[in-house]
Amino acid sequence: GAGVSQTPSNKVTEKGKYVELRCDPISGHTALYWYRQSLGQGPEFLIYFQGTGAADDSGLPNDRFFAVRPEGSVSTLKIQRTERGDSAVYLCASSMDRRNGYTFGSGTRLTVV
Amino acid sequence: KNQVEQSPQSLIILEGKNCTLQCNYTVSPFSNLRWYKQDTGRGPVSLTIMTFSENTKSNGRYTATLDADTKQSSLHITASQLSDSASYICVVSAHREVPAPKTSYDKVIFGPGTSLSVIP
Repeated sequence: GAGVSQTPSNKVTEKGKYVELRCDPISGHTALYWYRQSLGQGPEFLIYFQGTGAADDSGLPNDRFFAVRPEGSVSTLKIQRTERGDSAVYLCASSMDRRNGYTFGSGTRLTVV
Repeated sequence: KNQVEQSPQSLIILEGKNCTLQCNYTVSPFSNLRWYKQDTGRGPVSLTIMTFSENTKSNGRYTATLDADTKQSSLHITASQLSDSASYICVVSAHREVPAPKTSYDKVIFGPGTSLSVIP
């Protein structure tokens, strides 16, 4: 596609439930990043994929968070046993390589009630 | 510790006026610095990117400067418009080598952003 697509755009879930957030990067972009942005703050790094492999998952806050990119294109961020503190906008970005800019999606706004 | 700081936290200016936003960083090894504009409810959009050897980059009414010695950058907005109201985020990348899978990539560190409001 022309840009990075994230679905759903909004997700409201109950505390303790499981959620999946999807990111469709720009076709051909091998690098994919997930970020989390709380209200009034800059994005916080979660995980970086190079192809199918997670090259850096040091930003995942705990083992309730997990992300996959099985075919090197679409990525899914999975959150188990959601907590109210997980409420944030989850941003995905993709890049051809580090010399070029990252293109961000519009994000998924997750609200845990 | 890799950090990016921005000032001011928020700024209100009259339409048509100029303004300058500041970014200080302690990121090593430095790869590049980007300024992003983020409208409310949208993902960040890139304005400029500068590497170590570049000290200025313009994009329309936006001009970014970089002093790699003092590790400072600024974003100057000329003749502001109401549509410039947004959060402006300074993003600094540090180069990382990963042994497995063998690759290199940029570790991206975001600043907290400056919230700019342009009023008529």
